[in-house]
Amino acid sequence: EAEVAQSPRYKITEKSQAVAFWCDPISGHATLYWYRQILGQGPELLVQFQDESVVDDSQLPKDRFSAERLKGVDSTLKIQPAELGDSAMYLCASRTGGSSYEQYFGPGTRLTVT
Amino acid sequence: SQQGEEDPQALSIQEGENATMNCSYKTSINNLQWYRQNSGRGLVHLILIRSNEREKHSGRLRVTLDTSKKSSSLLITASRAADTASYFCAMYNNNDMRFGAGTRLTVKP
Repeated sequence: EAEVAQSPRYKITEKSQAVAFWCDPISGHATLYWYRQILGQGPELLVQFQDESVVDDSQLPKDRFSAERLKGVDSTLKIQPAELGDSAMYLCASRTGGSSYEQYFGPGTRLTVT
Repeated sequence: SQQGEEDPQALSIQEGENATMNCSYKTSINNLQWYRQNSGRGLVHLILIRSNEREKHSGRLRVTLDTSKKSSSLLITASRAADTASYFCAMYNNNDMRFGAGTRLTVKP
């Protein structure tokens, strides 16, 4: 069964450093999402892509976060500089789009900022 | 920001018992979905109920939706230790989906 791939699975970085996460959605899935999940809470949307275009980045802290999906396939989320409060699980999800609403999630990247 | 509230925050039951989790939301929805998350992993889609549906079943799962009360419930029957996980409702409206804070379910063998 096809899965959403994410790397790395774990990342420890010092504050003020740059960090990047990668996501490869299920083949053919036009819509891609990046979520941040703080321990004990539900996922919060950071950015949504439709193909290579950003559909919603209203909750993305644009002073330090950036996201791209240049060819409408895989995607990268970057934080620069990282802050202590960025410690969280970063989840990527994809869906086919249209009338199919189910999202398929990757295993996530656990970020710890020290 | 979270768009739904789930109740209870945590639930502990014995294997074989039923587990009921509730979700309340504030805005109108096209559909409501339930997801499961095992510790430290990604979320897995369980079931979707559309705004014009009142009840839906999938295996040991039963979901109800009351749009007049803006609430939904997830019932897991004959629970198993493997059902131990966090369960999240997600409200979908016009290409926007927001998750609740989740219910942490522990099923004791």
